Amino acid sequence: EPEVTQTPSHQVTQMGQEVILRCVPISNHLYFYWYRQILGQKVEFLVSFYNNEISEKSEIFDDQFSVERPDGSNFTLKIRSTKLEDSAMYFCASGGNRVGGYGYTFGSGTRLTVV
Amino acid sequence: GQNIDQPTEMTATEGAIVQINCTYQTSGFNGLFWYQQHAGEAPTFLSYNVLDGLEEKGRFSSFLSRSKGYSYLLLKELQMKDSASYLCAVKSGTDKLIFGTGTRLQVFP
Repeated sequence: EPEVTQTPSHQVTQMGQEVILRCVPISNHLYFYWYRQILGQKVEFLVSFYNNEISEKSEIFDDQFSVERPDGSNFTLKIRSTKLEDSAMYFCASGGNRVGGYGYTFGSGTRLTVV
Repeated sequence: GQNIDQPTEMTATEGAIVQINCTYQTSGFNGLFWYQQHAGEAPTFLSYNVLDGLEEKGRFSSFLSRSKGYSYLLLKELQMKDSASYLCAVKSGTDKLIFGTGTRLQVFP
């Protein structure tokens, strides 16, 4: 079964440093997403990406965050100048289309710890 | 505002049936999802409802009433491996999923 792959699985970084979280979506999918889940809290939408541009973003996704699809396979989330409150599990998801419930496949996540 | 409510925790016995309820108030509605999430892992897709009624998929069924802003997930013949969190999520607008806080289900022998 096709998978969404995320690397690294766990990243520890110092406050103020930049991190890049990487994702390889399912190859024929067109829609890409980042979500995050702070420990013990609900999954929160960050951003959606389609046709090489952001299609929607949440209030959380401020200037500290950026996304990129640098080539045909990778989808990255960059967090500049990390803060303690950025510590969370970050999930990448991809979808084949906007309609229908079968489009969203989540990756296994990157656990980001900011110290 | 956007609000999705589900019980925080439920317990059940192996072999039993359990129903997990979800009520929602969102600014848009393009479907409701149920996901299963084991601790420290990614959500995995269980079901999707966009029209009123019941969708059955093996041991799992999901029901939707759009007029009531209500859904439930029904799990039959519970197994120990069904111990997990169950997340209700509404597709609001074009793209994003809005998640509830999840219901942690513990299945006992």
